[in-house]
Amino acid sequence: GENVEQHPSTLSVQEGDSAVIKCTYSDSASNYFPWYKQELGKRPQLIIDIRSNVGEKKDQRIAVTLNKTAKHFSLHITETQPEDSAVYFCAASKYGNEKLTFGTGTRLTIIP
Amino acid sequence: DGGITQSPKYLFRKEGQNVTLSCEQNLNHDAMYWYRQDPGQGLRLIYYSQIVNDFQKGDIAEGYSVSREKKESFPLTVTSAQKNPTAFYLCASSLREGLGELFFGEGSRLTVL
Repeated sequence: GENVEQHPSTLSVQEGDSAVIKCTYSDSASNYFPWYKQELGKRPQLIIDIRSNVGEKKDQRIAVTLNKTAKHFSLHITETQPEDSAVYFCAASKYGNEKLTFGTGTRLTIIP
Repeated sequence: DGGITQSPKYLFRKEGQNVTLSCEQNLNHDAMYWYRQDPGQGLRLIYYSQIVNDFQKGDIAEGYSVSREKKESFPLTVTSAQKNPTAFYLCASSLREGLGELFFGEGSRLTVL
């Protein structure tokens, strides 16, 4: 089955700087890559997703890049703000939401 | 207020007892899912259902059972056969088409005493 590895497990960034979280996947047939954000004590929420026919996608301060050849994808957050502090999960699937495999999560802390 | 509701939020169970976690959604979503969240292990899929009266095992189904008698409801039973049941359980739903957002509930924390 699919295996998703996520790094780093923890990340501290000065407010205003950029943060990058990286994930690799094992199944070359995977074609859907969402990112979820889970604030402390709250439910995970989708922040951005990308499909395999696209190399990059942006939404304001958030961007995701995908390298299908290398089987890795990354989340980029620019101009970080305190409200960006959360745990971020990447995921991959070849069946859409039906069998998402999640990474182990990255705890991002924004230092004021 | 549309959404997905899990209950109870906290649950304590003695070893050897079965316990059922409730998940209800009013989003008119066809697909529903149960995930288990452990520290350092991300979210792991237990069971999912794409349509009423049908469900499929996920990656860690052993020791769990589900039912899908109504579109709105997808209860999870943690049986005594589950060797390490203490965890945080998340229910989610999505459109049947597969792609798009998973809407999560607020979770149920089960502790086995």
